[in-house]
Amino acid sequence: EIVLTQSPGTLSLSPGERATLSCRATESVTKNYLAWYQQKPGQAPRLLIYGASSRAIGIPDRFSGSGSGTDFTLTISRLEPEDFAVYYCQQTAHSPLTFGGGTRVEMK
Amino acid sequence: QVQLVESGGGVVQPGGSLKLSCEASGFSLNNNFMHWVRQTPGKGLEWVGVLQKDGSEQYSAESVKGRFTISRDLSKNTLHLEMNSLRPEDTAVYYCARGAGWVAASWGQGTLVSVSS
Repeated sequence: EIVLTQSPGTLSLSPGERATLSCRATESVTKNYLAWYQQKPGQAPRLLIYGASSRAIGIPDRFSGSGSGTDFTLTISRLEPEDFAVYYCQQTAHSPLTFGGGTRVEMK
Repeated sequence: QVQLVESGGGVVQPGGSLKLSCEASGFSLNNNFMHWVRQTPGKGLEWVGVLQKDGSEQYSAESVKGRFTISRDLSKNTLHLEMNSLRPEDTAVYYCARGAGWVAASWGQGTLVSVSS
């Protein structure tokens, strides 16, 4: 199975700053079938990005995804207070689908 | 709009069985892949399995293969997860999600399953 490693584990930033989150796969993710989700405490995850770079409906354009093959990045251009949360990547190219361990974006 | 409501969680002894339900509204199950994903308290996400939109085939994680079965009742627009031979490590919040293909596009709020003696 494809193992996804997210880094860093925790990112401490202030509102208005740029956040860069990494997701690395143990093998190439076919057709860049890589998704990103946001999860806030006590809530279900929410889809942000699919196909590595396509924003889901209703997702603000400060969220962007990039990358290909084994290396992918989620960028939040300017953090808003509501963006402090845990972010997960997931590959949807091969069964079993797998998630990364998550990156927590916390307020500095 | 799309809404998913899970139910059926609770406390069960190791080796026991439980059947979760996910009532869908705002869309039809037979037009969508449907996923189950679980989350151990305080930990990350684990994909459990998916039912193809025609209901013909299920794909599952190795950790649940042979023990968990995904099914659906189209007359009630409800998805099910039947869990047998439960283990303590199956303790988690279980989410159902509407798939946009293989991507979990819309999620329910989850139901907690606790496997403990």
